[in-house]
Amino acid sequence: SQTIHQWPATLVQPVGSPLSLECTVEGTSNPNLYWYRQAAGRGLQLLFYSIGIGQISSEVPQNLSASRPQDRQFILSSKKLLLSDSGFYLCAWRAKRGAYTGELFFGEGSRLTVL
Amino acid sequence: GQQVMQIPQYQHVQEGEDFTTYCNSSTTLSNIQWYKQRPGGHPVFLIQLVKSGEVKKQKRLTFQFGEAKKNSSLHITATQTTDVGTYFCAGPFDGGSQGNLIFGKGTKLSVKP
Repeated sequence: SQTIHQWPATLVQPVGSPLSLECTVEGTSNPNLYWYRQAAGRGLQLLFYSIGIGQISSEVPQNLSASRPQDRQFILSSKKLLLSDSGFYLCAWRAKRGAYTGELFFGEGSRLTVL
Repeated sequence: GQQVMQIPQYQHVQEGEDFTTYCNSSTTLSNIQWYKQRPGGHPVFLIQLVKSGEVKKQKRLTFQFGEAKKNSSLHITATQTTDVGTYFCAGPFDGGSQGNLIFGKGTKLSVKP
């Protein structure tokens, strides 16, 4: 069966420090991968998605970047965190399908507090 | 731009009462999905609706997709404390080729025992 791992679960970082969140998927190959952010326990905002190794699309211009160095690994980074980067970051994967969008499978999330 | 809106934002019910959340899209959707997020947890897929006017049931949960495929609803009969959480609807963004999902802001349900 497929599983998705995301870490760290919680982190507190000072403003201006770097960030690296990692996500790996097991049990599937060539998935679409996603990074979402959820601010203040509310809606989900799509930040980045990837359809393959080295292929990253950004949905929202911001202080963050993403990379996909391996088929089932997705990394979210920042060189210098801002206060506004605080939030709950969720990695997700979806199998590639035909005309219809398949369901998303989310990781447990990483709760980031920037002080 | 394309939007998916949900109402209400919050709903407080007494255990045993019914609950409904509504989802409206600014554009016609090829499908709509529903997710549930428990407090402190991550969203979990509940169901996908594809056909116009489709109705699907999962135990006490009834999901409906509108005839025009621009709105949807989730109805919970006789709520229980285990139903607590935030319910999100999501539809594919029609501006790209990947069908990436646009989520509503969710309806947060609290149930008083």
